[in-house]
Amino acid sequence: AQSVTQLGSHVSVSEGALVLLRCNYSSSVPPYLFWYVQYPNQGLQLLLKYTTGATLVKGINGFEAEFKKSETSFHLTKPSAHMSDAAEYFCAVSPRGGSNYKLTFGKGTLLTVNP
Amino acid sequence: AAGVIQSPRHLIKEKRETATLKCYPIPRHDTVYWYQQGPGQDPQFLISFYEKMQSDKGSIPDRFSAQQFSDYHSELNMSSLELGDSALYFCASSPGPPSYNEQFFGPGTRLTVL
Repeated sequence: AQSVTQLGSHVSVSEGALVLLRCNYSSSVPPYLFWYVQYPNQGLQLLLKYTTGATLVKGINGFEAEFKKSETSFHLTKPSAHMSDAAEYFCAVSPRGGSNYKLTFGKGTLLTVNP
Repeated sequence: AAGVIQSPRHLIKEKRETATLKCYPIPRHDTVYWYQQGPGQDPQFLISFYEKMQSDKGSIPDRFSAQQFSDYHSELNMSSLELGDSALYFCASSPGPPSYNEQFFGPGTRLTVL
């Protein structure tokens, strides 16, 4: 069974500082990997995903993530935080192969951006 | 661009009542997924449909049932509601058969059981 671990349920950064949100997965076969963002009282929006190919993936709003198989990680970064980045971020995985692609989410990391 | 539509957006029910949540996927999206997000929790997969057939099932209680109709909209029926059913219910859709394609999420239906 797959699982996702997000280190840090709450991360606080200053505006303009580097954002680093950590995600590790547990799966015998590297899964498809996703980062979603959820603003208060809203649905989930896809930031980026890794399926195959280049391991450094660029997403929307200046975010990027790097798939590291040796570390079973898919950490999300942004060089300079904006106030508008304050939200909850979920790392998710979907099994590679087979016919079912349900998303398994991590517990989420709440990002706070301080002025 | 058209998005996933969910109705109602908010629903308040009493214990032991029934509720029906509706999901209208993005046009030409064949696959629908349902997720449940409890307060302060991560979304949990409930069930999915492709071409009106159930494609996968997660931790969905026996009190819940769902289906996808010929126009691809989906309904989640919940009976004998319990306090613990209070949650945000998301529907997501994606094009074609279940795959790693992006799942587009709706705004959710917030169900409160009193």
